[in-house]
Amino acid sequence: EDQVTQSPEALRLQEGESSSLNCSYTVSGLRGLFWYRQDPGKGPEFLFTLYSAGEEKEKERLKATLTKKESFLHITAPKPEDSATYLCAVRWETSGSRLTFGEGTQLTVNP
Amino acid sequence: NAGVTQTPKFQVLKTGQSMTLQCAQDMNHEYMSWYRQDPGMGLRLIHYSVGAGITDQGEVPNGYNVSRSTTEDFPLRLLSAAPSQTSVYFCATRREIYGYTFGSGTRLTVV
Repeated sequence: EDQVTQSPEALRLQEGESSSLNCSYTVSGLRGLFWYRQDPGKGPEFLFTLYSAGEEKEKERLKATLTKKESFLHITAPKPEDSATYLCAVRWETSGSRLTFGEGTQLTVNP
Repeated sequence: NAGVTQTPKFQVLKTGQSMTLQCAQDMNHEYMSWYRQDPGMGLRLIHYSVGAGITDQGEVPNGYNVSRSTTEDFPLRLLSAAPSQTSVYFCATRREIYGYTFGSGTRLTVV
């Protein structure tokens, strides 16, 4: 049973064209939902942690939101340098420190 | 402050060979983990450690061995390499609310 599902698998945007990435989860007792950015040939880089429904975090053109079943990563007026794979991961009440990751969304922003 | 350092960056092994992937951190984090990343399957947890002398299995531990004799180091051993172990391997440490800090990865090919 998939616990974390990300959609779409790939997204191609024009520079300035805002959109959202989705991360849905089925775990019980969420203890944190994490967003990461991964550039080719590099390790994932931490972006945000969200803990409870209704919580929002922002960083430059990125805004992460959380509901009881999913999280969205909103990208406002993206630039080509925002091109990367975006990963979400969850930790829940019986997972200890372990994270379970989704498969990621590969974002391409064309100039 | 190097964060999480993984060596080597690239490795080619023949089937049946053994090797050790090194991971070192200088942040004094207790929790360390190993993930493998494969296309279409996301990041999957191999082994993790909550402190020196304590290790446990993740979701894909078969064919791998770990030990944690110090806080700083968490090596991953491949006992008898198989083509199915061709992957990119990431070491990660955990710092509360800041999520995970990942190394830059080791790209392993088993022929």
